[in-house]
Amino acid sequence: GQQLNQSPQSMFIQEGEDVSMNCTSSSIFNTWLWYKQDPGEGPVLLIALYKAGELTSNGRLTAQFGITRKDSFLNISASIPSDVGIYFCAGQKGGGADGLTFGKGTHLIIQP
Amino acid sequence: DVKVTQSSRYLVKRTGEKVFLECVQDMDHENMFWYRQDPGLGLRLIYFSYDVKMKEKGDIPEGYSVSREKKERFSLILESASTNQTSMYLCASSFVGPYEQYFGPGTRLTVT
Repeated sequence: GQQLNQSPQSMFIQEGEDVSMNCTSSSIFNTWLWYKQDPGEGPVLLIALYKAGELTSNGRLTAQFGITRKDSFLNISASIPSDVGIYFCAGQKGGGADGLTFGKGTHLIIQP
Repeated sequence: DVKVTQSSRYLVKRTGEKVFLECVQDMDHENMFWYRQDPGLGLRLIYFSYDVKMKEKGDIPEGYSVSREKKERFSLILESASTNQTSMYLCASSFVGPYEQYFGPGTRLTVT
């Protein structure tokens, strides 16, 4: 199955810095989702995007659904220690009963 | 709050054993999914189900089967466990639309 190209693979930042990560694909997706996963836990949904060009915020998180429907980005402003974890993008092509295609994740590490 | 629970957090089985992983969701979701997560490979879809007694193969169904006898419960079965099935297994569920998938905490299976 196809994987999404997610970058960067890892980020080492200072507390308080802004973070940006993105996902690209050669195929069109109808839905983009962003998840965060803590060690030993399941992914937790952060933001869901349904329309090309859509920009959605959830607290300090902002995500956008690319106009071409082949990409999405996630920004985190003013990072804090609890933002540490692995962030995954996921795309869904079909409607309803369809599995997600995942990126390989961005590992965010925050140095105090 | 959506709740997806998995029967075990950690499981150790021997090669050749039959293994059952259970997943239960309490949100009346139509769709349920099983993924496995491996370092460097990300999350990959094994099987999904869009209704009771219905199932569809995902990207990597070989060596697995599933059962959905009730709407809230979706089981993953390893007929004869092998060492290459050592992995983190994640269950997820969603409505037909919108397409946000919610994940359980995961089962870390080790096959020796």
